[in-house]
Amino acid sequence: QKEVEQNSGPLSVPEGAIASLNCTYSDRVSQSFFWYRQYSGKSPELIMSIYSNGDKEDGRFTAQLNKASQYVSLLIRDSQPSDSATYLCAVNIEETSYDKVIFGPGTSLSVIP
Amino acid sequence: GAVVSQHPSWVICKSGTSVKIECRSLDFQATTMFWYRQFPKQSLMLMATSNEGSKATYEQGVEKDKFLINHASLTLSTLTVTSAHPEDSSFYICSASWAAAAYEQYFGPGTRLTVT
Repeated sequence: QKEVEQNSGPLSVPEGAIASLNCTYSDRVSQSFFWYRQYSGKSPELIMSIYSNGDKEDGRFTAQLNKASQYVSLLIRDSQPSDSATYLCAVNIEETSYDKVIFGPGTSLSVIP
Repeated sequence: GAVVSQHPSWVICKSGTSVKIECRSLDFQATTMFWYRQFPKQSLMLMATSNEGSKATYEQGVEKDKFLINHASLTLSTLTVTSAHPEDSSFYICSASWAAAAYEQYFGPGTRLTVT
């Protein structure tokens, strides 16, 4: 069964530090990778998408992709208490008849003031 | 841009009744819509994928006759939970995508269903 794995956390970092969130996936042919943020009781919000190996930066967020290692990460610089949430990694999976995205279990991040 | 709405945001119903949840893409045409269920402290569980004008593709273990999905237009999909039971109580979230190849999904705010 094709899977997406993340450390469940909680990951605690002090305010202003860099938070590093990791994700591994099992499907070697996956081409699209996403990070979503979900606050408690709310629906997920798309933060970043990445399709090519290397780094992609957007403000305080940097996504890193290494397809050979089947690994994708999210770095949050200058972490703020408002970044405290669950971060979901999502990966596209090619099934026999259609494509879909599957989500990892999420990593809970707590930024301590 | 990429705003998705859901209605209602919460609903309480009695066991045995049916509940309809609407999902609308407000500022784009959604070629694909997805329905998820999320129990407390758990991750998203994909229930079904629907393309406009086509029958929904249900994930393994999801009862087609219990969770009816209709994607009648490029901006509207509905999920009907038929003969709801307390174990169906959950957070139901839809998402929409306009670029099937890219798989970027934009989520609605979710509907919290409580079956008494």
